[in-house]
Amino acid sequence: NAGVTQTPKFRILKIGQSMTLQCTQDMNHNYMYWYRQDPGMGLKLIYYSVGAGITDKGEVPNGYNVSRSTTEDFPLRLELAAPSQTSVYFCASSLTTKRMGGTQYFGPGTRLTVL
Amino acid sequence: SQELEQSPQSLIVQEGKNLTINCTSSKTLYGLYWYKQKYGEGLIFLMMLQKGGEEKSHEKITAKLDEKKQQSSLHITASQPSHAGIYLCGADEGTYKYIFGTGTRLKVLA
Repeated sequence: NAGVTQTPKFRILKIGQSMTLQCTQDMNHNYMYWYRQDPGMGLKLIYYSVGAGITDKGEVPNGYNVSRSTTEDFPLRLELAAPSQTSVYFCASSLTTKRMGGTQYFGPGTRLTVL
Repeated sequence: SQELEQSPQSLIVQEGKNLTINCTSSKTLYGLYWYKQKYGEGLIFLMMLQKGGEEKSHEKITAKLDEKKQQSSLHITASQPSHAGIYLCGADEGTYKYIFGTGTRLKVLA
């Protein structure tokens, strides 16, 4: 069972570079999420998607973009990397969002450093 | 917006000891998730509590939900080194969005 997979696991970027963080789930979940986790700060929602073709901003969307062309994939794009984007990024998916029915399943994370 | 506060922030216990982690919400809790995270890994779902007074157990981990206190507690009995990690509570805000506590870092000394 693959669940939620993320690539790459680690990446170092220079300021101003761009990259895409990949996320794929094989559970046929409609709902997908991107979070960032800073030390001691918990998880902050960047973007989420309720289905293919539908995305919306979370709490901290600035500097990021997403797309959802298929149910399985939900890539996160950083256009002009900044040191403030140094963080660990987690992708998650859930089957539903009915109140308390939507257990989220997380990928292993991507550790990104911007120098 | 709703906030979840966890206490303590970190905990070091001797193997075999019991411990409790609390998660307190700033708003009414309709339910709560508990996750565990090991360094370099994603979050592993532990359990979900939906109703006030509900209590669930998985191996040596028990979680309870107190709606009146807007609080959930996670109790580990006879801790083992395998219990070490970061424990996070999470709740949905009634939309598509979830919020998470800042986590409790647990270290178990052998």
